[in-house]
Amino acid sequence: AQSVTQPDIHITVSEGASLELRCNYSYGATPYLFWYVQSPGQGLQLLLKYFSGDTLVQGIKGFEAEFKRSQSSFNLRKPSVHWSDAAEYFCASLPTSWGKLQFGAGTQVVVTP
Amino acid sequence: DAGVIQSPRHEVTEMGQEVTLRCKPISGHNSLFWYRQTMMRGLELLIYFNNNVPIDDSGMPEDRFSAKMPNASFSTLKIQPSEPRDSAVYFCASRRAGESGELFFGEGSRLTVL
Repeated sequence: AQSVTQPDIHITVSEGASLELRCNYSYGATPYLFWYVQSPGQGLQLLLKYFSGDTLVQGIKGFEAEFKRSQSSFNLRKPSVHWSDAAEYFCASLPTSWGKLQFGAGTQVVVTP
Repeated sequence: DAGVIQSPRHEVTEMGQEVTLRCKPISGHNSLFWYRQTMMRGLELLIYFNNNVPIDDSGMPEDRFSAKMPNASFSTLKIQPSEPRDSAVYFCASRRAGESGELFFGEGSRLTVL
C-alpha cells in the first residue's frame, strides 16, 4: 500500500531564510506527487505536482520540489521565505491518475521576523 | 470558473442531531472526494466517487455516515446521529479523472457537535 511520510511535524524559520520540507513516499512505481498548502481556516491549494519529465518542478509562490527516485523523496524548497508562507504543508501521492490521493501528516511552518 | 463549493461553512449542532454537508464539484469534473480533517488524525479520506458511483468507502467511520452523489453536480455527506467525536472540518474535492490527478478542494465545512 502506498504511504507518504513527512518527518517534520513543525518547522520554525526566519523570514528571508531558506526552507526545505521533507517528503518520502512508499510505492513500487513512480506515483504522481503533489505539494499542497493550507492557510488557517482555508482549504488546500496546490503548490506543484510531478508525474513525469524533469525531476525539478516549479510551483506557485516561488516554491520548487525535486523528485529523487533513489531516495523515494519529493522535498519542497523555497530560497527565501516570506511571513505569508506560514501555513501547513501537505505532501501527497497518487498511484495512478484515477486513484485515491494519500496525504502525509503535514508540516506546520512558522515564520519568525 | 467557480471552484468547489461547500455548504454550510460552519455548523454547530447537538449530539444526536442529523447533519448534512453539501458539495458542488467543479463543472466537468467526474471524480469527487470527501475528506475529514482533525488535529489528531490529520486528513482522512472518507469516500470517493467516479462518475457518480462510490468507488471506495473504506474510510467511512461507521454506519452513522453516509454519502450520496445523485448527479454530477451535487454530493451530500450525512451523519445521523451525530456525536461530539464527529467534530472536524470536512472537505470536498473534485478532479477530472484521467488528467494529472490534481484535486481541487473546497473551503471546507467546520462541524461542531456539542
